[in-house]
Amino acid sequence: NFVLTQPPSVSESPGKTVTITCTGSGGSIASNYVQWFQQRPGSAPTTIVFDDDHRASEVPDRFSGSRDSSSNSASLTISGLQPEDEADYFCHSYEDGHWVFGGGTKLTVL
Amino acid sequence: EVRLEQSRPEVKKPGESLVISCEGSGYSFNDYWVGWVRQMPGKGVEWMAMIHPRDSNIKYSPTFQGQVIISADTSRSTAYLQWRSLKASDTAIYYCASDVPAGLLWGPGTLVTVSS
Repeated sequence: NFVLTQPPSVSESPGKTVTITCTGSGGSIASNYVQWFQQRPGSAPTTIVFDDDHRASEVPDRFSGSRDSSSNSASLTISGLQPEDEADYFCHSYEDGHWVFGGGTKLTVL
Repeated sequence: EVRLEQSRPEVKKPGESLVISCEGSGYSFNDYWVGWVRQMPGKGVEWMAMIHPRDSNIKYSPTFQGQVIISADTSRSTAYLQWRSLKASDTAIYYCASDVPAGLLWGPGTLVTVSS
């Protein structure tokens, strides 16, 4: 089974840069694209990055995605952190056409 | 506007049946996989099942196989998730999502509460 693992939480100060990782196990993360979603409290998730590194429409360029096959991981980097970036972020990919989600990372902007 | 609209919140008793729905508009809903995702209180999301409305191809997560039934009606651009006998542990928010080219398009969620 392909599993995506994320750190449960990260925190950083406003204006700084934070990176959230999504590490694959039981399969290669290079086999399929990775998506990233943001979920604010009480709201549905929204797509912020699709196909590894493409920003969804209206997502600020402070958000960027990447994939590193050598570490079997993908990353979401948020620069110039703002208070409204405080949310849960989770990654997503595929295994044999099935959806696979990471466990989610709670970002706290101190 | 491209969107998914989900059915209203439900309060049910254990053992009761339930069908919730997800209607797409503003795009070719029937041409993309539609999945259902569970989010239990304070937890992450779990993929349950997915269907391609155009050809009714269906995939289930092993965790949910036999627990729910997914279906779709192309004439209504709507997907459904069905339970025959709810349990208290089915209490959660259920999101539908459409696997469109620009990532997943998410619905607003349907809160299902199962309590005696």
